[in-house]
Amino acid sequence: KAGVTQTPRYLIKTRGQQVTLSCSPISGHRSVSWYQQTPGQGLQFLFEYFSETQRNKGNFPGRFSGRQFSNSRSEMNVSTLELGDSALYLCASSFGPLGSNQPQHFGDGTRLSIL
Amino acid sequence: QQQVKQSPQSLIVQKGGISIINCAYENTAFDYFPWYQQFPGKGPALLIAIRPDVSEKKEGRFTISFNKSAKQFSLHIMDSQPGDSATYFCAANFGNEKLTFGTGTRLTIIP
Repeated sequence: KAGVTQTPRYLIKTRGQQVTLSCSPISGHRSVSWYQQTPGQGLQFLFEYFSETQRNKGNFPGRFSGRQFSNSRSEMNVSTLELGDSALYLCASSFGPLGSNQPQHFGDGTRLSIL
Repeated sequence: QQQVKQSPQSLIVQKGGISIINCAYENTAFDYFPWYQQFPGKGPALLIAIRPDVSEKKEGRFTISFNKSAKQFSLHIMDSQPGDSATYFCAANFGNEKLTFGTGTRLTIIP
């Protein structure tokens, strides 16, 4: 069974640009969550999608948005990039939504660097 | 607001020794406590998880101990091996709330 796949693995952008990251969950998983990981702040929750609906949202500005498609694949978009957005962006999928205590399986992330 | 406090930040243990990582939480509503292991260049992987209705859960060399009254839980790695060298995260949540992660512990096992 294939794991969670995130593309691209590495991305370099400049300030002011926008970026779209992609996540393909494990087959059959309907929940996709996004996290930002930085050395200073650790793992911080961005948002969760379940059956194409955003169920939870973390404390991030509106520049961070996402969506989920009918096949459960998800994309995350960051607009007007700032230097502080440089981070590892992780996607995690689970069979049930957050709160169902189904284990979350993480992808290996997209390393975003802002110049 | 940090709701899960993890310590130590880094830990060096000799091969064969016991590695102990501690976490304390503030929200008494938390009812699910997973631990994740992360190797460099990889995403976190679920190691073991516990609910507050049990005081201990063991899977191989990994044991979670849970103290509900003290609002603390810890990960013990017995017979630590160099392959256990990684960063470990505790986490907690309740209901349909997001997982709140600890700040991580970088574990190094030396020969």
